[in-house]
Amino acid sequence: EIVLTQSPDTLSLSPGERATLSCRASQSVTSNYLAWYQHKPGQAPRLLIFGASIRATDIPDRFSGSGSGTDFTLTITRLEPEDFAVYYCQQYGSSRTFGQGTKVEIK
Amino acid sequence: EVQLVQSGAEVKKPGESLKISCKGSGYRFTNYWIGWVRQMPGKGLEWMGIIYPGDSDTRYSPSFQGQVTISADKSISTAYLQWSSLKASDTAIYYCARHPSGYDRSPFESWGQGTLVTVSS
Repeated sequence: EIVLTQSPDTLSLSPGERATLSCRASQSVTSNYLAWYQHKPGQAPRLLIFGASIRATDIPDRFSGSGSGTDFTLTITRLEPEDFAVYYCQQYGSSRTFGQGTKVEIK
Repeated sequence: EVQLVQSGAEVKKPGESLKISCKGSGYRFTNYWIGWVRQMPGKGLEWMGIIYPGDSDTRYSPSFQGQVTISADKSISTAYLQWSSLKASDTAIYYCARHPSGYDRSPFESWGQGTLVTVSS
């Protein structure tokens, strides 16, 4: 089973700043089948990115994904107040697993 | 509009059985994989398994194989997650979610609102 390790565990930033989240896989992710989700308390998770870099429907372009193989990145160019949440990566190429999450909190 | 509506919160005792549900609407239920994700208190998301309602093809995470049963009734567009004997460690929020296509190698695009299951003596 592929293990996904996200870093950092917590990112403390101010609105308007850039957020860079990392997701590292224990082995290469098949066909870059890597997704990113945003999860806020009391809400269902929301798909942001799939295929490592493709934005899901209605996702603002301040969210972008990159990477391949074992190293992937989610970048939020300018944090809006509504972007403070927990972010998870998920690989769906070999079985399916989630990373442990990165919390983006207001500094 | 795609909607997944889950059954309500449950409070059960250890050893009891439980079946929670997820009703899909706004799309052809038989043509899309639908699955379940667990979130234990204060923890992250865990992928449990998926089912293709058209033929009931089911895939489980090794961590959940044998611990739960995923099923679907296509006549009423509803997927289920079932336990035969609950444990306190099954206390969690359970989300159902749907793939964006009929391909099994996909992320979860649409999500239900979550069902809180509490197991306590």
